[in-house]
Amino acid sequence: KAGVTQTPRYLIKTRGQQVTLSCSPISGHRSVSWYQQTPGQGLQFLFEYFSETQRNKGNFPGRFSGRQFSNSRSEMNVSTLELGDSALYLCASSLEDRPYQETQYFGPGTRLLVL
Amino acid sequence: GNSVTQMEGPVTLSEEAFLTINCTYTATGYPSLFWYVQYPGEGLQLLLKATKADDKGSNKGFEATYRKETTSFHLEKGSVQVSDSAVYFCALIQGAQKLVFGQGTRLTINP
Repeated sequence: KAGVTQTPRYLIKTRGQQVTLSCSPISGHRSVSWYQQTPGQGLQFLFEYFSETQRNKGNFPGRFSGRQFSNSRSEMNVSTLELGDSALYLCASSLEDRPYQETQYFGPGTRLLVL
Repeated sequence: GNSVTQMEGPVTLSEEAFLTINCTYTATGYPSLFWYVQYPGEGLQLLLKATKADDKGSNKGFEATYRKETTSFHLEKGSVQVSDSAVYFCALIQGAQKLVFGQGTRLTINP
C-alpha cells in the first residue's frame, strides 16, 4: 500500500504571498491531520479532518486553513505568509476506527521557506 | 493541558551501547502513547506504541513500557547501531487524532 504523499516537497515563497499544500492519505484512511515542525516550537498540531469536516483545531491564527475532499485528500492553505511560517509541514493519516488509539502515519513533509 | 517531556539531548553513544531516552507525560485519563523516529530530511515514522497501562511496545529492538504509576514511557534498546542515529519523539494522543509531542531527542551513534 502506498504511504502518505505530500506535494510539493519544497517550496519557497515571499512574505505576503499565500501557499497551498496537498496531502494524499493512505488508501482507506479517512482522517487527515496536519502538523507544523519548527526548531523553536517543535511539532505542533494544526488541525484534523474527517469526512470533509474539521474536527479539531490547534492554536494557530486564521491565516492557516484547510479542507478535505470526498476522496479524503486534504489541502492546507496559509495566507499572507510571514517569515515565521517557515517550517516543515507534516501530514498524517489514520483509519479512525478506534478513536484516541489510532496510529497516525506521516508523510515526508513539505518544507516551506518564506523569504 | 496534556503534555510530554523528554530528556534533553543531544545524546551521543558508541555502537553497541545501551540506550535509554526518558519520557514522562501529564494527561487526564489514559491516553495512548507513541514513539516516533525522524531520520534526516524525512517525516516521522512510528517506532512503537502502547494503548494501556503496563503494555509494552516493541519494534526493531526498541522497547517502551506504559507505566501509569510513574506516568512514563521510556524508550530502551540493548545495543544501538549507527543506523539508529535520528531524532526520537515521544507523544500521546489527546482527543480525536491530536498528537501531543515531546521536544524530541537527537541521538548520534558513533562507530
